[in-house]
Amino acid sequence: EPEVTQTPSHQVTQMGQEVILRCVPISNHLYFYWYRQILGQKVEFLVSFYNNEISEKSEIFDDQFSVERPDGSNFTLKIRSTKLEDSAMYFCASSRAPGVGEQFFGPGTRLTVL
Amino acid sequence: AQTVTQSQPEMSVQEAETVTLSCTYDTSESDYYLFWYKQPPSRQMILVIRQEAYKQQNATENRFSVNFQKAAKSFSLKISDSQLGDAAMYFCAYRSAGQGGSEKLVFGKGTKLTVNP
Repeated sequence: EPEVTQTPSHQVTQMGQEVILRCVPISNHLYFYWYRQILGQKVEFLVSFYNNEISEKSEIFDDQFSVERPDGSNFTLKIRSTKLEDSAMYFCASSRAPGVGEQFFGPGTRLTVL
Repeated sequence: AQTVTQSQPEMSVQEAETVTLSCTYDTSESDYYLFWYKQPPSRQMILVIRQEAYKQQNATENRFSVNFQKAAKSFSLKISDSQLGDAAMYFCAYRSAGQGGSEKLVFGKGTKLTVNP
């Protein structure tokens, strides 16, 4: 069964460093998302991406964040200058098309900022 | 803005028994989807069940069923014949369905379900 994959599973970085989190969505999916979950808290939407552009972003998704689909398979989230409060689990998700209900989630990347 | 509330931070159930997890939501939209996601200790989010708001019939997936009360904005999850593998964090989520609506999922805070042998 096709699934969303994410690498790395765990990333440790120093405050102020740039990190890139990688995702490979399900191959015939066209809509991509990033969510984050700070330990013990709810899952929060960051950004959605469709047709090679951001379609929606939350107030969390400030200028420190960017997303990219560099090729036909990868979808990346970059944090330019990490802060301690960026420590969280980051989930990538994909769906077949806009308006289709299910979003399928990857296993997540745990980001620890020291 | 839409909000999702799960009022039970933790629940427990005996193996083979039935448990119901509560979820309420607030929206002014008439067309939307509701979901229950399961997050086991591995932390991957797994879709358990979905409900389209325009459907009156409650969704069912094997041992999992929902009680969708649109007027009351309530969406509870019933797990029958609970198994040890059902132990996880359960999140209720909302998504707009109208044309041009937001694609984002809005999650509740989750309910941690423990299954006792």
